[in-house]
Amino acid sequence: GENVGLHLPTLSVQEGDNSIINCAYSNSASDYFIWYKQESGKGPQFIIDIRSNMDKRQGQRVTVLLNKTVKHLSLQIAATQPGDSAVYFCAENRDFNKFYFGSGTKLNVKP
Amino acid sequence: DVKVTQSSRYLVKRTGEKVFLECVQDMDHENMFWYRQDPGLGLRLIYFSYDVKMKEKGDIPEGYSVSREKKERFSLILESASTNQTSMYLCASRRQYSNQPQHFGDGTRLSIL
Repeated sequence: GENVGLHLPTLSVQEGDNSIINCAYSNSASDYFIWYKQESGKGPQFIIDIRSNMDKRQGQRVTVLLNKTVKHLSLQIAATQPGDSAVYFCAENRDFNKFYFGSGTKLNVKP
Repeated sequence: DVKVTQSSRYLVKRTGEKVFLECVQDMDHENMFWYRQDPGLGLRLIYFSYDVKMKEKGDIPEGYSVSREKKERFSLILESASTNQTSMYLCASRRQYSNQPQHFGDGTRLSIL
């Protein structure tokens, strides 16, 4: 994962809008990617994953896009709700049991 | 649903103490992991275990050891706690197959005074 320093990037969106959270991964050999949501005082919660042989995967209100050419991953949240406020981070799986995590983006949903 | 339980949510210990952090999972997962999470640094892997009595060092194993005597339980040990080990510690487990996510506990916030 990337060290983006002590200040977590913050995305502020209005309730009901769509959110897009981005992640740049570092190794072209990574073949499996995961998005996690971490609410204050809780552990990371699995949201959605995608394998490197796919470029898009949809879940309930969430979509993950993978661009292997530029090593970029994004998480789209449709109709963002106050309960979506949290830190979101991506993880890349390089070796079988080695996962590397980004430091995250804080999503702030304004009512 | 997968349940990963960490025995303590908050822990305060003194420098030089031996500290035990416990983690239990209820899904018969083969793999278990210990991470620490610090602001701006993301999750860093301390140790992982791919089976009972098996362990491998992660990226930052210095000052830590682990124990996995039973499949469901993975313990992290701080041999002689130091102030730079003050952190949030997260345990995770996953199935031993490709393309399987890790599932996390709610963490132990450890303060070393």
